[in-house]
Amino acid sequence: GDSVTQMEGPVTLSEEAFLTINCTYTATGYPSLFWYVQYPGEGLQLLLKATKADDKGSNKGFEATYRKETTSFHLEKGSVQVSDSAVYFCAPYSSASKIIFGSGTRLSIRP
Amino acid sequence: EAGVAQSPRYKIIEKRQSVAFWCNPISGHATLYWYQQILGQGPKLLIQFQNNGVVDDSQLPKDRFSAERLKGVDSTLKIQPAKLEDSAVYLCASSFGTETKPQHFGDGTRLSIL
Repeated sequence: GDSVTQMEGPVTLSEEAFLTINCTYTATGYPSLFWYVQYPGEGLQLLLKATKADDKGSNKGFEATYRKETTSFHLEKGSVQVSDSAVYFCAPYSSASKIIFGSGTRLSIRP
Repeated sequence: EAGVAQSPRYKIIEKRQSVAFWCNPISGHATLYWYQQILGQGPKLLIQFQNNGVVDDSQLPKDRFSAERLKGVDSTLKIQPAKLEDSAVYLCASSFGTETKPQHFGDGTRLSIL
């Protein structure tokens, strides 16, 4: 069945560092791809999405590009802030398999 | 727009007791989801409704969990009797139900079983 693998955490960075959180998936067909973020004590929020190959999703300085050839959707940010500390979930969504959430990557940013 | 509303935020019960959670989705969203999120894991889909019909309940432990969405709007999820392993955050989400549209989540109910 469909699955998603994302970088294990926790990831700890200093403020203004460059961030990459890897995500790869296996899916039948071409799913839509989402990154969700969960701040402490809150539900998940959509961070960004891409619905077809080579699309780039972006929001709040974060970016991710839908790479069909490598079945990846890595999350990047050029300069992280303390407020970016949260848990990040990669989630492919296909009509066949519905949405599947990765195990989450906890990100902590040091001032 | 108003977000997905869930209540209660926290619940503590003893094992073998029953508990119910309530969710009110975003207005106009036909699809409603209940997830279980165990500490340190990603959300796991328990049940998905399209209007008031069940689309997917393959991962719902039907011997103890039940859910309904009467009138195709708000929904309740019930656990009876609760087990220790049911301790988790229960998240409700809603969407327009297509692949390209994201799900919108409530803040969840944190359930602790003693």
